[in-house]
Amino acid sequence: KQEVTQIPAALSVPEGENLVLNCSFTDSAIYNLQWFRQDPGKGLTSLLLIQSSQREQTSGRLNASLDKSSGRSTLYIAASQPGDSATYLCAVRMYSGGGADGLTFGKGTHLIIQP
Amino acid sequence: DADVTQTPRNRITKTGKRIMLECSQTKGHDRMYWYRQDPGLGLRLIYYSFDVKDINKGEISDGYSVSRQAQAKFSLSLESAIPNQTALYFCATSDPTGGGGYTFGSGTRLTVV
Repeated sequence: KQEVTQIPAALSVPEGENLVLNCSFTDSAIYNLQWFRQDPGKGLTSLLLIQSSQREQTSGRLNASLDKSSGRSTLYIAASQPGDSATYLCAVRMYSGGGADGLTFGKGTHLIIQP
Repeated sequence: DADVTQTPRNRITKTGKRIMLECSQTKGHDRMYWYRQDPGLGLRLIYYSFDVKDINKGEISDGYSVSRQAQAKFSLSLESAIPNQTALYFCATSDPTGGGGYTFGSGTRLTVV
């Protein structure tokens, strides 16, 4: 059974710092990996989607990397801003052979950017 | 309009009542999902559907049922609500042929008293 772990569980940094959020997964036979942002009590907003054949994806100040063989992904946030404060979730999707489907989520990293 | 719309946004119901949460999507995706989110437990899959005729149980389907009325509509029912079903519920869609990314709705906060 796939398990996804996110470290750290919480992080508080001053505005302007660059930071890295970590995600690890136990089964490397993934189809893709997706990073989401969730504001308190709100829905999930997709940030970046990395296919299993890709090494990284970038969107603005965000960069996500994937090392499938070691079961790891990182989300790099450059020049952090108070508006980046949220919970960041990592989720992996397996190949749906045999009819199985769905994302397996980590429990998230709660990020606070101090003004 | 949002790609994935959930109704209601918030609901308080009593133990033993039947309740339905509704989801509609404009993405044109065949695959739809229901997840629940609990503090400390993360998001867990309740049911998923590959198309109107294909419904599958997820990790935590006990106490829930679903109906796929059309490609765009997927509803979740709690036949007899209990307090430990208090949670934030999310509907999602995905397009396996288009990269496989998921799109989530804004969620329904359900409280069972």
